[in-house]
Amino acid sequence: AQKVTQAQTEISVVEKEDVTLDCVYETRDTTYYLFWYKQPPSGELVFLIRRNSFDEQNEISGRYSWNFQKSTSSFNFTITASQVVDSAVYFCALSGGAGNNRKLIWGLGTSLAVNP
Amino acid sequence: EAQVTQNPRYLITVTGKKLTVTCSQNMNHEYMSWYRQDPGLGLRQIYYSMNVEVTDKGDVPEGYKVSRKEKRNFPLILESPSPNQTSLYFCASRLGQGALNEQFFGPGTRLTVL
Repeated sequence: AQKVTQAQTEISVVEKEDVTLDCVYETRDTTYYLFWYKQPPSGELVFLIRRNSFDEQNEISGRYSWNFQKSTSSFNFTITASQVVDSAVYFCALSGGAGNNRKLIWGLGTSLAVNP
Repeated sequence: EAQVTQNPRYLITVTGKKLTVTCSQNMNHEYMSWYRQDPGLGLRQIYYSMNVEVTDKGDVPEGYKVSRKEKRNFPLILESPSPNQTSLYFCASRLGQGALNEQFFGPGTRLTVL
């Protein structure tokens, strides 16, 4: 079975702190894709990153960075020097499903509050 | 601008009154999908469509119908809504069948069934 676990339900930090959001996944597929989405209080889903299973290079985009480790089935997300605007729910997702559906399988999300 | 649109964004209705949530994308995507988001349960797929006239059930299809008569539109139909269908609904589209392709999400429809 495919599964995504985000063990941290809620995290609260003070502005400028670094924060890491954990994501652990389970899949039997040899080829799969991992995603992170942000859901701000307004409710929309904002795509952050996509990573395929053959590319274990870490990625950095401004204050955001991602650490993909197949050995531990983890795809963690770090925000450096957090800002109030980073307050949102963050979802990790895994592409899965038989056939061509390849639906997204979602973690339950981590609610991040960045306080001034 | 490439986008997925949903209407309405907010809807309050009563049990049993048929409703349709529209979804439209302007990216010529073959694949479209509906998810619902509920606290503690995350996002779950309701239905998906691989192309025009090709639809199939997701994980939680009970109480919903869909149609795909045109490539750009994928409406979600609740024939007889019930309170347990109160949720936040998202439509998504993706180019082709590959999981590599990013799914684009609509802004969401917040539905309350009284």
